[in-house]
Amino acid sequence: DSGVTQTPKHLITATGQRVTLRCSPRSGDLSVYWYQQSLDQGLQFLIQYYNGEERAKGNILERFSAQQFPDLHSELNLSSLELGDSALYFCASSRAGELFFGEGSRLTVL
Amino acid sequence: AQKVTQAQTEISVVEKEDVTLDCVYETRDTTYYLFWYKQPPSGELVFLIRRNSFDEQNEISGRYSWNFQKSTSSFNFTITASQVVDSAVYFCALSETQGGSEKLVFGKGTKLTVNP
Repeated sequence: DSGVTQTPKHLITATGQRVTLRCSPRSGDLSVYWYQQSLDQGLQFLIQYYNGEERAKGNILERFSAQQFPDLHSELNLSSLELGDSALYFCASSRAGELFFGEGSRLTVL
Repeated sequence: AQKVTQAQTEISVVEKEDVTLDCVYETRDTTYYLFWYKQPPSGELVFLIRRNSFDEQNEISGRYSWNFQKSTSSFNFTITASQVVDSAVYFCALSETQGGSEKLVFGKGTKLTVNP
């Protein structure tokens, strides 16, 4: 158990819809990272927050957004969903350079 | 741009065989970190090791060992006496540590199947 909690574990929705994925980092970790794992793109960095502020941005689509709240949990919002957004979305938190990943949220867009 | 190449897409071995997973990386940074993660069929990403660019000592942890060679930009992972439970996809990753961010660039992964 990495200590990073992600909900929901599985989500099935339709094209055009909007979903929110939630992540609670390990206790005491200030950084949260979001990654997407898809069959064609592999594991890709999306975005990082540190203590509520956006720290780094990767290949995140404009239809996607994230935020980190004062209690340090983070949410990834995916809107106007397309079939190609079907993927496993991971959240990770870090301390002293080590990244620990949650179990992921598997999103299926039909 | 940073890049990680895991040339072996799939490897299949018989239990108790030793197996080495290759990882070659590209970076212009002088300070960087290399990682290995394991993704079993259940899907989670399990942290195995983190190595910084200044430490070229090989590391051994039980049946696992890592060979870091800066001269060839490689960070290979060996499993000795493989077991069925080692069956998983293994990812090598490289981080850049600019601006306090430790975002990772992952390789495509190597799927290891250990047969009884």
